Amino acid sequence: AQSVTQPDIHITVSEGASLELRCNYSYGATPYLFWYVQSPGQGLQLLLKYFSGDTLVQGIKGFEAEFKRSQSSFNLRKPSVHWSDAAEYFCAVGPSSNDYKLSFGAGTTVTVRA
Amino acid sequence: DSGVTQTPKHLITATGQRVTLRCSPRSGDLSVYWYQQSLDQGLQFLIQYYNGEERAKGNILERFSAQQFPDLHSELNLSSLELGDSALYFCASSPLGANQPQHFGDGTRLSIL
Repeated sequence: AQSVTQPDIHITVSEGASLELRCNYSYGATPYLFWYVQSPGQGLQLLLKYFSGDTLVQGIKGFEAEFKRSQSSFNLRKPSVHWSDAAEYFCAVGPSSNDYKLSFGAGTTVTVRA
Repeated sequence: DSGVTQTPKHLITATGQRVTLRCSPRSGDLSVYWYQQSLDQGLQFLIQYYNGEERAKGNILERFSAQQFPDLHSELNLSSLELGDSALYFCASSPLGANQPQHFGDGTRLSIL
């Protein structure tokens, strides 16, 4: 069964500093991986996705993520955080060819301090 | 704006009642998914419809049901509501295909009093 672990429940970062959010997945085949962001009172917005090919993927809002098969990881990074990046971030795996659901991690809440 | 529309944004009701949540997918998307987000369970997949037919089922309670209509909008029906059903319910849509990302609506927040 597919599953996702986000080890960090909460991260606090200073504005302008770099950010890295960890994601580890368990999946029986080549995974499809996603990062979503949820701002307070908002829905989930897709930041980026990995299907195949280049293991470093670029997303919206200056985010990037790197797929590392050997570590079963898909960590999200941003070089310089803005106050508007304060939100909850979810890593997700799936869907597979016969099961179209997304399995989400528990999320990481990011607080940005001035 | 994801293009997925969910109504209503908020619902407040009492235990034992029945409610209907509505979702209009992005233009051209044939597949609709429902997810529940709660503090104790996180984001959980409930059910998927494709072009009017049920495609996949997750941890959906028997008190819950869904359908997708010919115009592709979908409804999630929750009955005999319990306090524990209080949650944020998301609809997502995508074209069919394993490599197609799902786009989410803003959700319906359901509060059971």
